[in-house]
Amino acid sequence: DAGVTQSPTHLIKTRGQQVTLRCSPKSGHDTVSWYQQALGQGPQFIFQYYEEEERQRGNFPDRFSGHQFPNYSSELNVNALLLGDSALYLCASSLLGSNEQFFGPGTRLTVL
Amino acid sequence: GQSLEQPSEVTAVEGAIVQMNCTYQTSGFYGLSWYQQHDGGAPTFLSYNALDGLEETGRFSSFLSRSDSYGYLLLQELQMKDSASYFCAGNGPGYSSASKIIFGSGTRLSIRP
Repeated sequence: DAGVTQSPTHLIKTRGQQVTLRCSPKSGHDTVSWYQQALGQGPQFIFQYYEEEERQRGNFPDRFSGHQFPNYSSELNVNALLLGDSALYLCASSLLGSNEQFFGPGTRLTVL
Repeated sequence: GQSLEQPSEVTAVEGAIVQMNCTYQTSGFYGLSWYQQHDGGAPTFLSYNALDGLEETGRFSSFLSRSDSYGYLLLQELQMKDSASYFCAGNGPGYSSASKIIFGSGTRLSIRP
């Protein structure tokens, strides 16, 4: 049983560019959450998707957007990249109503 | 606002017991979760407390007191592989009890022989 997978593992972009990160949830999971983790900090909640809709959102600007597909996989899009967007982006999946989230290995984004 | 505070670093001896604390200022949280994250790895779920009291899972125990807005993670029989960062996280209200999880900044646990 494959766990949560994310692609790509690493990404380098320049300021002003746009990026798309991808996540496939653990088999059987229907809910996907995205987090941003800066070095030495805890994960910061970006948003959560269920039934292809954004259900909850953290304190992130509209430059951060997402999508969930019918197969429950998800994308995170970030527009107009800033240097401060450099971080590890984590995807976590769960079953709706479960308190346990399963995290993917993350995508390391570097903005130059 | 919602915030969770944890000590930044803790050092303990192999074989000993360590307690890592978490205090929170928030409203509407359903419960407190704990995650472990090794350097370069993904967070992994350890435990969840929905009710006040102690939850035990093997060498790990987690405690919650809602009246004190306080919880802790207790690790017994410490092993070198327990060296990692430990995060408490508040499970917020929303569409589901796991909808909006706010993480603390984490405690880095170092184990020495």
